[in-house]
Amino acid sequence: QITLKESGPALANPTQTLTLTCTFSGFSLSSSGVGVGWIRQPPGKALEWLALIYWDDEKRFGPSLSSRLTITKDTSKNQVILTMTNLDPVDTATYYCARYFLFSSWFDPWGPGTLVTVSS
Amino acid sequence: QSALTQPPSASGSPGQSVTISCTGTSSDIGAYNYISWYQQHPGKAPKLMIYEVNKRPSGVPDRFSGSKSGNTASLTVSGLQADDEGNYYCTSYVGGDVVFGGGTKLTVL
Repeated sequence: QITLKESGPALANPTQTLTLTCTFSGFSLSSSGVGVGWIRQPPGKALEWLALIYWDDEKRFGPSLSSRLTITKDTSKNQVILTMTNLDPVDTATYYCARYFLFSSWFDPWGPGTLVTVSS
Repeated sequence: QSALTQPPSASGSPGQSVTISCTGTSSDIGAYNYISWYQQHPGKAPKLMIYEVNKRPSGVPDRFSGSKSGNTASLTVSGLQADDEGNYYCTSYVGGDVVFGGGTKLTVL
């Protein structure tokens, strides 16, 4: 069974840096074609792809936030970490991580998501 | 890249069919057959329904089907059921990146 789960602060202050961790099981991030992606969804709004990290450590970022994002993986711990700098209230959203398969370009399964509220 | 364009809403009665469109460009949908669709119920994580334009993961009913013509992909839900109600999102591969559609709220009347 493949599972992913996001963890991080529920509340963050503007201008701070957000660190989110995706802990997964049931698959290996060392397998060819496998990646883990981060996607966010502001309340009542659409999904937005943020970042991907692949088995070979290649990293890809969505164009709108690329300057503020960092993504790393710890294969031994089965974790992927996303950091987002200079938070703003508009970054309030549910943040999801999901397994990604490059050779067919799909996300499955997804974690349950974690709601991050940016407010002072 | 810009988000893919989906109609904000769609609806149908139980038993009917409904089709949701997803329009992109020659750089995304038109260039690749890596189109996927996700269903999201309120308060839940998205679920993969279709990948590679028209393939269904194990467990997804064959009432869900996908197609593509030019720069537009489509998701058709046949034999609508109450549980099909929710938001549907399309995505396309874009040369190593991914782009999502704006989502369509499907209402079962």
